[in-house]
Amino acid sequence: ETGVTQSPTHLIKTRGQQVTLRCSSQSGHNTVSWYQQALGQGPQFIFQYYREEENGRGNFPPRFSGLQFPNYSSELNVNALELDDSALYLCASSLGNRVLEAFFGQGTRLTVV
Amino acid sequence: KNEVEQSPQNLTAQEGEFITINCSYSVGISALHWLQQHPGGGIVSLFMLSSGKKKHGRLIATINIQEKHSSLHITASHPRDSAVYICAVRSDYGGSQGNLIFGKGTKLSVKP
Repeated sequence: ETGVTQSPTHLIKTRGQQVTLRCSSQSGHNTVSWYQQALGQGPQFIFQYYREEENGRGNFPPRFSGLQFPNYSSELNVNALELDDSALYLCASSLGNRVLEAFFGQGTRLTVV
Repeated sequence: KNEVEQSPQNLTAQEGEFITINCSYSVGISALHWLQQHPGGGIVSLFMLSSGKKKHGRLIATINIQEKHSSLHITASHPRDSAVYICAVRSDYGGSQGNLIFGKGTKLSVKP
């Protein structure tokens, strides 16, 4: 098992609500990347945080936002939830830009109803 | 067209069979990653490679940078190999620069 933990593991929200997902990074890692994986699809890059700053963003609207804390743990916030936001949200931690050496969390399964 | 394409999408095999999963990509990359995802979502890294071939137990991964193609082979497959296998590349340009671009995955089911 990796040292990357995500919470909660499962979540059900209503359309229009807001949600916060959490990720603790592997010890020694200072970079956290978030991915959205819809059913039957590969993960899609949402954004990356490096030393508490956003360091790259995929094709996701501004209602997807994030934070990274001094201990390098991270949050993903999604406002005004839509049904299509239902997906598995994965976070991966790495050291610097060594994204291929990233460790993944188990994911948070979000269902929007 | 996706930047990373995997084939087949689904694969059913009998225990003991030799399995090949293919990955083709259209972007410039520095390296490629094979990942295994079990039901429930957790992703485990299998290989990271930028050239040639790597072997770990019954798993072998090869990459041909010129042809932009990689294969993952499983010898003597076992039901515990049943999972989704995902190919991911590190893009060197564009909006995803420096981050991973994933294929859709190949769902493998090995029957006893």
